[in-house]
Amino acid sequence: DIQMTQSPSTLSASVGDRVTITCRASQSISSWLAWYQQKPGKAPKLLIYDASNLESGVPSRFSGSGSGTEFTLTISSLQPDDFATYYCQQYNSYPYTFGQGTKLEIK
Amino acid sequence: QVQLVQSGAEVQKPGASVKVSCKASGYTFTNYFMHWVRQAPGQGLKWMGMINPSDGSTSYAQNFQDRVSMTRDTSTSTVYMELSSLRSEDTAVYYCARSWEGGATAYWGQGSLVTVSS
Repeated sequence: DIQMTQSPSTLSASVGDRVTITCRASQSISSWLAWYQQKPGKAPKLLIYDASNLESGVPSRFSGSGSGTEFTLTISSLQPDDFATYYCQQYNSYPYTFGQGTKLEIK
Repeated sequence: QVQLVQSGAEVQKPGASVKVSCKASGYTFTNYFMHWVRQAPGQGLKWMGMINPSDGSTSYAQNFQDRVSMTRDTSTSTVYMELSSLRSEDTAVYYCARSWEGGATAYWGQGSLVTVSS
């Protein structure tokens, strides 16, 4: 199975900050990577697919980059609504696997 | 609009089975794959498996291979996930989620809480 490792596990930041979350795959997954945002009690929401494509309706302050084994999710200017947990997921091969999550907290 | 509506919360005893449903609407049911993802309390997301509603083919995560079964009913646009030999560690919210073939899951159900307790 492909292991997905996110860092950091927790991130404290302020409104207006630029933040970056990293996701590493244990083997190459080309660009078959998605990023999700999840808020307590809610289903995950797709933000980015194919590593860098913004899902329809997602604010442009979210961006994704990377290929192969190293990927990043960047939020250019944090808004109050962005404090949540973020997960990466590879869909290069079954079983699809998620990173352990990054909790973005208010500083 | 695309909707995935899951069945309600369930409480089951250890050793029992549970069957969670996910009714799809707003799109052609057989054109997209359906995945099941679970989330234990306070934990991360875990992919359990997927089904291709077009032909019923499945792929399961090895952790669940022996206990999970995913099926579909094309007449009602519903997919089912049955998990057997339940144990307390199976207490979780179970989500269905739709993807195109080889793609990310853009639409998710609301989640179904399964509690395993004696």
